Order: sequence, then C-alpha cells, then structure tokens
Amino acid sequence: SQTIHQWPATLVQPVGSPLSLECTVEGTSNPNLYWYRQAAGRGLQLLFYSVGIGQISSEVPQNLSASRPQDRQFILSSKKLLLSDSGFYLCASTFVGESQETQYFGPGTRLLVL
Amino acid sequence: AQSVAQPEDQVNVAEGNPLTVKCTYSVSGNPYLFWYVQYPNRGLQFLLKYITGDNLVKGSYGFEAEFNKSQTSFHLKKPSALVSDSALYFCAVRDPGGYQKVTFGIGTKLQVIP
Repeated sequence: SQTIHQWPATLVQPVGSPLSLECTVEGTSNPNLYWYRQAAGRGLQLLFYSVGIGQISSEVPQNLSASRPQDRQFILSSKKLLLSDSGFYLCASTFVGESQETQYFGPGTRLLVL
Repeated sequence: AQSVAQPEDQVNVAEGNPLTVKCTYSVSGNPYLFWYVQYPNRGLQFLLKYITGDNLVKGSYGFEAEFNKSQTSFHLKKPSALVSDSALYFCAVRDPGGYQKVTFGIGTKLQVIP
C-alpha cells in the first residue's frame, strides 16, 4: 500500500537549535515530494518540492532547507531555528499508478520553537 | 499566477441539512481542482478532484463538487451533513500547463450542529 510517514510527530525545540524532519514514502517509486507549512491551523504554504533525487525547488526563501538523498526520502532542515518556524509541517507525495496531479499527505509534524 | 479563494471562514449547518462549501479559482487554461479535508492535528485527506469530463464529481464520504467554468467555481456539496463532517476543508488548484505546483485556499471550517 502507499503510505507516507513523517517523524517525529511532535517536536519542541529552543530558538537557535538545528532541525531535521523526515518524510518517507512507501509503495511507489519516483514520486514528486513536497514540504508544506501550516500556521495557525489554516492555510498551507508550499516550502519545497522535488521531482527527483537531489532536485529541490524552493518556493519561499527562508531559514529552512530541504534535501532528497533517496528516491522516497525527503528531509526538511534548519541550522538555527527561529520562533517563526513554529507550525505544522506536512509532507505530500504523488503516487505512480495514480494520476500524478493528486497529492497525498502524511500525518504531519507539529513543531514548537521556544 | 494561479489562486484559490474560499470566501467563508466558517460554515455552520444543522445535521441532516445539505451543506455547501464555496471555492472560486483563477488559473490560465483549464484547471485541475481538488478538495481536501483536515481533522484536528492530522494531515490532509484527499476527497475528490476534477480534471476533465463531467462537471459533477463524486468523492469520498458522500461529498461531491460541481465544476462551473463560467463562474470559475468548484463548490463542495453534500446532501445531508453529519456531525462527523465537522472539519477544515481546503480547495486547491493546479494549472496543468505548469509544473507540479498546487495552490491551496486558506480553508473553511465546517461545523455541523447536532
């Protein structure tokens, strides 16, 4: 089956500390992968997307970076967290065998920066 | 640039009554349109999509949406609301002529009153 995993589920980090959030996808190959941030439980902001290993496109220049070291692994990182980085981070993927236009979402990581 | 508008911050409806959640879009060319639902502290769940074909699209949990090209709308509907339908609903659009970017609306909170 096609599944998206995200971890950790919840994270509390001090300002200035590093960050690494991981997303892995099962049951497909060569997916398009996306990182979104949802602030205040409402709108989604696209942060990064990737159409292949090592291929990252950034939508919003900010304190975060993304990497795709393997086909089904997508990592969101920061060297120094800011208070404004708090939010709900969602990973999304397309799945081969389905129409590539549909994105499916993981369970999310809630990040609180103090 | 593509955009989505969800004009209602919140929609309240009595259980058993029909519900409508509104969405309008702006995109060059023929759009790909989506609806997602989000329950508290969860990722987004895909409900339905319009790519081409019949203007009335049926999706999960008894939801349907009607594509209206002249009004550039894609309203979500359900004939009889359930309390369990209470959640946050997102409309999204993608320009098929562009790359894989999907633009989400800010979300509409649906409250079904028992």
